[in-house]
Amino acid sequence: EDKVVQSPLSLVVHEGDTVTLNCSYEVTNFRSLLWYKQEKKAPTFLFMLTSSGIEKKSGRLSSILDKKELSSILNITATQTGDSAIYLCALFGGGSNYKLTFGKGTLLTVNP
Amino acid sequence: GAVVSQHPSWVICKSGTSVKIECRSLDFQATTMFWYRQFPKQSLMLMATSNEGSKATYEQGVEKDKFLINHASLTLSTLTVTSAHPEDSSFYICSARGAAGDAQETQYFGPGTRLLVL
Repeated sequence: EDKVVQSPLSLVVHEGDTVTLNCSYEVTNFRSLLWYKQEKKAPTFLFMLTSSGIEKKSGRLSSILDKKELSSILNITATQTGDSAIYLCALFGGGSNYKLTFGKGTLLTVNP
Repeated sequence: GAVVSQHPSWVICKSGTSVKIECRSLDFQATTMFWYRQFPKQSLMLMATSNEGSKATYEQGVEKDKFLINHASLTLSTLTVTSAHPEDSSFYICSARGAAGDAQETQYFGPGTRLLVL
């Protein structure tokens, strides 16, 4: 069974700090790893990673996949209070399993 | 990114009534759609997976006669909560994914529907 573990589960920082969120996984057939941000509504898509070592970037957010280490990180630089949310890592195992496997999420709180 | 819409965003209904929630992929063809349920401060729970034109596959413990799913076209799926009861009150979220190999293979979520059954 595919498995996704995120750490830390919860993180409190001050505005302007840089944070790194971790996601490790176990999978039979890797297809892609996705990061989502969830505030009060449904998750919004951040990144999809399929290749190891290639950084994806969007503004202050970036993410990279390490297939050797079976892990991914999500970096947020110069955090703002609007970054406060739950960040979800999800694994798409492909093959006959078309379901996303979600981690429990990291609750990030950015204080002013 | 691709857009998935959900309607309605809020529903309040009386116990015993049926509620239909629509999910549409607005700018891509969703070969697979997913329905999730989320209780406060809990993770997303997958209820069922549906492929266009075929019957939905329900997760263990989800009653298919209670949560009817129809995926009639590549852009529309509906979830009907039949004979709703207060314990069905929850946040229902649909998600859509395009065909394998497409840019839309990424899975996008709709904004969710909050259901309150009185």
